[in-house]
Amino acid sequence: EVQLVESGGGLVQPGGSLRLSCAASGFTFSSYWMHWVRQAPGKGLVWVSRIKSDGSSITYADSVKGRFTISRDNAKNTLYLQMNSLRADDTAVYYCVATFEYWGQGTLVTVSS
Amino acid sequence: QPVLTQSSSASASLGSSVKLTCTLSSGHSGNIIAWHQQQPGKAPRYLMNLESSGRYSKGSGVPDRFSGSTSGAVRYLTISNLQFEDEADYYCDTWDSNTRVFGGGTKLTVL
Repeated sequence: EVQLVESGGGLVQPGGSLRLSCAASGFTFSSYWMHWVRQAPGKGLVWVSRIKSDGSSITYADSVKGRFTISRDNAKNTLYLQMNSLRADDTAVYYCVATFEYWGQGTLVTVSS
Repeated sequence: QPVLTQSSSASASLGSSVKLTCTLSSGHSGNIIAWHQQQPGKAPRYLMNLESSGRYSKGSGVPDRFSGSTSGAVRYLTISNLQFEDEADYYCDTWDSNTRVFGGGTKLTVL
């Protein structure tokens, strides 16, 4: 059974940092492009970042460029998102997604003072 | 980069059919798209990917009631024999070498 389990979300003050993790199982993680997608409360899905299967290609949405860093550890079947300089408009549920096919259950990040 | 346009809402009666649309912006009519379903309070679920030829490939466990089709830059998701559990938000998405984009989503109400 394919599983993507995100963790690391929580409440953080504006300007703070968080590191999200996504543990993958049930498929060949090292063969898949991985993405982070977020959803603000009551809003639609927004793509955040992606990383190629071997980590050799990375892209970001303009809204997070320079603040967020995506990475992966294929030996641990884990995807990461380091989020710095967080703002209120980063408040959202963050999903990890394998290509377009497999979704995690999401982790909530709330940026508030 | 591509832009995807979806109607904000749709409704149809239990047991009937509905056809949701996702329109690709100019210059991107050849893109493959994916359809996803998000039931209230749940994570999105992948339904299918859909090519410009109209060929589609569904995800594991997606009922036969769900199908896809194409006409030019428009990608369709058809749901037949609507059930109450089909009431959900439906998103399309596509990608290019630099980015991935989602449509704004269509909220489907089953009457």
